[in-house]
Amino acid sequence: GQNIDQPTEMTATEGAIVQINCTYQTSGFNGLFWYQQHAGEAPTFLSYNVLDGLEEKGRFSSFLSRSKGYSYLLLKELQMKDSASYLCAVKAAGNKLTFGGGTRVLVKP
Amino acid sequence: DSGVTQTPKHLITATGQRVTLRCSPRSGDLSVYWYQQSLDQGLQFLIQYYNGEERAKGNILERFSAQQFPDLHSELNLSSLELGDSALYFCASQGVNTEAFFGQGTRLTVV
Repeated sequence: GQNIDQPTEMTATEGAIVQINCTYQTSGFNGLFWYQQHAGEAPTFLSYNVLDGLEEKGRFSSFLSRSKGYSYLLLKELQMKDSASYLCAVKAAGNKLTFGGGTRVLVKP
Repeated sequence: DSGVTQTPKHLITATGQRVTLRCSPRSGDLSVYWYQQSLDQGLQFLIQYYNGEERAKGNILERFSAQQFPDLHSELNLSSLELGDSALYFCASQGVNTEAFFGQGTRLTVV
């Protein structure tokens, strides 16, 4: 089976940096995704890591360590519109895609 | 627009009834996933189909079933509905070596 853990909630100030951690246990690891979801809306893709290291995409970066079963999403220069849930998802053998419970990020002025 | 279409957008029905939710994946995507999201909860994986065949199953209730048709669209059937089945139901499609793209969801309200 799969087990994906991420914090439930985080609060940060506009302009600051926030790091959302995700740990996972899975068999047949085939990649890790980060999605953003605003309340009542569909999740939208942010990043994908399949090899160890850091992937940078504008204000968002994602890191993966396969040996540690660990990833993080780094949000820089936070804006009010970044208030949302951030979902870590692991793709296992057979392309099964399982999501963690999500981390709700609240950005305060 | 993700390219994934879900219908209907909203559905209100009574307990004990049966409903069918429909999903049209992005052109060429063979994988379809169904997820349930209750209020303020995470995405719960229900079931995955790949090119018409069931590929993986999550904590899907026996009252729920799904299928994927030859044209790759998928339907999720929910029967003997209970109040606790009220949720957002998302469909996502995925191609080879791509991320999953989500539809806008069907909001089901059981009264």
